[in-house]
Amino acid sequence: ETGVTQSPTHLIKTRGQQVTLRCSSQSGHNTVSWYQQALGQGPQFIFQYYREEENGRGNFPPRFSGLQFPNYSSELNVNALELDDSALYLCASSLQGGHGYNGYTFGSGTRLTVV
Amino acid sequence: AQSVTQPDIHITVSEGASLELRCNYSYGATPYLFWYVQSPGQGLQLLLKYFSGDTLVQGIKGFEAEFKRSQSSFNLRKPSVHWSDAAEYFCAPVATGANNLFFGTGTRLTVIP
Repeated sequence: ETGVTQSPTHLIKTRGQQVTLRCSSQSGHNTVSWYQQALGQGPQFIFQYYREEENGRGNFPPRFSGLQFPNYSSELNVNALELDDSALYLCASSLQGGHGYNGYTFGSGTRLTVV
Repeated sequence: AQSVTQPDIHITVSEGASLELRCNYSYGATPYLFWYVQSPGQGLQLLLKYFSGDTLVQGIKGFEAEFKRSQSSFNLRKPSVHWSDAAEYFCAPVATGANNLFFGTGTRLTVIP
């Protein structure tokens, strides 16, 4: 059973640029959630995808967007990067949407630095 | 408004000592409650969860948590801490009908020999 894989592990971008982060969900999981974790903070919910549709969104602007593919992998796209977007971005997979009765399986994250 | 508070930003304990990490929540209805642990450079791992029923919940790695409705608390405990328990611990409620975790700010645990 494979876990959640995120790529890349680290990324440096310039303010105003666009970035795409990728996530492969755990085998058998059909739901992917994305969280942003700023330094010294707890993760904050960005959005969730279930069966290729957005299934809930946190308090993030529209320049944060996502996709889920038929194999349940997912992308997080951020346009017009701002310095405050610097954070660890965590992907989590689960089964059947929602918060995951058995909890999420988290990836190790992508560390994004915006300069 | 819904909120979760982890009052202790940083706790230091000696190896072999007992541990209690506090979590208080403020929700209209009792939420589902989770504890996650994050080791340096790692993602988060589920320690335990409470949905209903027995208020004392057992988790992995020897951790347990007690749900106290009257105090709106869900404190995490371990009788004897190991050096490998050094990590960041997050309490995360889920509101009824919601599909996302709401994480506290976390408690960093340092274990000294």
